[in-house]
Order: sequence, then structure tokens, then C-alpha cells
Amino acid sequence: DGGITQSPKYLFRKEGQNVTLSCEQNLNHDAMYWYRQDPGQGLRLIYYSQIVNDFQKGDIAEGYSVSREKKESFPLTVTSAQKNPTAFYLCASSILGSGTDTQYFGPGTRLTVL
Amino acid sequence: AQSVTQLGSHVSVSEGALVLLRCNYSSSVPPYLFWYVQYPNQGLQLLLKYTSAATLVKGINGFEAEFKKSETSFHLTKPSAHMSDAAEYFCAVSRGGSEKLVFGKGTKLTVNP
Repeated sequence: DGGITQSPKYLFRKEGQNVTLSCEQNLNHDAMYWYRQDPGQGLRLIYYSQIVNDFQKGDIAEGYSVSREKKESFPLTVTSAQKNPTAFYLCASSILGSGTDTQYFGPGTRLTVL
Repeated sequence: AQSVTQLGSHVSVSEGALVLLRCNYSSSVPPYLFWYVQYPNQGLQLLLKYTSAATLVKGINGFEAEFKKSETSFHLTKPSAHMSDAAEYFCAVSRGGSEKLVFGKGTKLTVNP
């Protein structure tokens, strides 16, 4: 079964800690994305990557970091510099990264800062 | 830059009634338009997309949307609502090429028995 997996489903973090959210895809897609979703705000792009070892900032990259060492993996680290990290985080992938591509989404990770 | 406006953050309909979710876009070039659906605590799933072929686009689960350039709209409709349609719906726009998707803020659909 092809798809995108995100783990963990729920994550709790103390203030001042860094946490890493996992995203894996077996769709053989070149492009991968991270979005943040807050109630009533829609989805906002954090980072995206169109090829291994390369990634670009999205609209709200401050306080986040990513890596793309393998085609199938695109982990997101939420650092202590992110002032308000409590949100629902969605990972997505698409074939090439073109604006016409359909993006396929994972089930999400809900991060709560205690 | 392109943008999307979804009119109505909450829409409530009765089971069997028409569903109409509104989306207006702003784009300086012919856009590519998408509707996605999100069930509670899940990721997004593509309902349908417009890529400059037919202006009436049919999607999954009986939904369809019509691209109206003169009105810069891409409203989502379904003739008869089912309880299972209760979800949040997102409209998104792209100018294609290397441009990324821009999402609207979403419309939460409630279906009453």
C-alpha cells in the first residue's frame, strides 16, 4: 500500500525543548512539504523540498528546520525558537513539485506544548 | 501573488439538501484550482482539480465544481448532502510551474439529520 506516514500521531513537548516529527513516503515522489494548520487559518507552508539534499523555506519557516537525506524521508524539527508551536502538522508529497501536481497528505501530528 | 477566499467558515445543511461551498480566487495568470476535504484529525484528500480543461469538474463522492473566469470563482457543489459529507473543505490555487499551492482558510460543513 503506497502512502505517507507521520509519527507520532500526538506529541507533547515542554517549553524549551526541540522535537522532531517524522514523515515517510513510499510513493516515489520527488517533492515533499510540511504545513502547519491552526483552527480557522487554513494550511500554511513551512518548508518544501523538490530533490534530495535541497529544500526551501515556505511562508512560516522561522523556528523550524528540516533535512532531506533520503528521497522517502523529510523530518521536521520544531525548535525552541518557535514561539507558538502548538498546532496540527501535516506532511505532503507530490510527483515533481509543480504547482499543477496533486499533493498527497499524511494523517498529521498534533503537537502540544505544555 | 495568488490568493483564495472561502466565503463562510461554517456551513450547515440538512441531509438531502444542496451543498454549496464558495471559493473565489485571485490570480494574475490562469490558475490551477483544487478542492480538498479533511475529516476530523486526518490529513487532506483531493476531491477534484481544475487544470484548464473542462470548466465543469467532477470529483469523488458526487462533488463537482465549476470554474467561472468572469466571476473568479470555483464553487463546490453536491446535489444531495449525506451525513458522511460532514468535514472541513479547503480550496487551493496555484499558478503552476514552480508556484506552490495557496490554501483558503477552510469551510466546515455540518450535515443535520
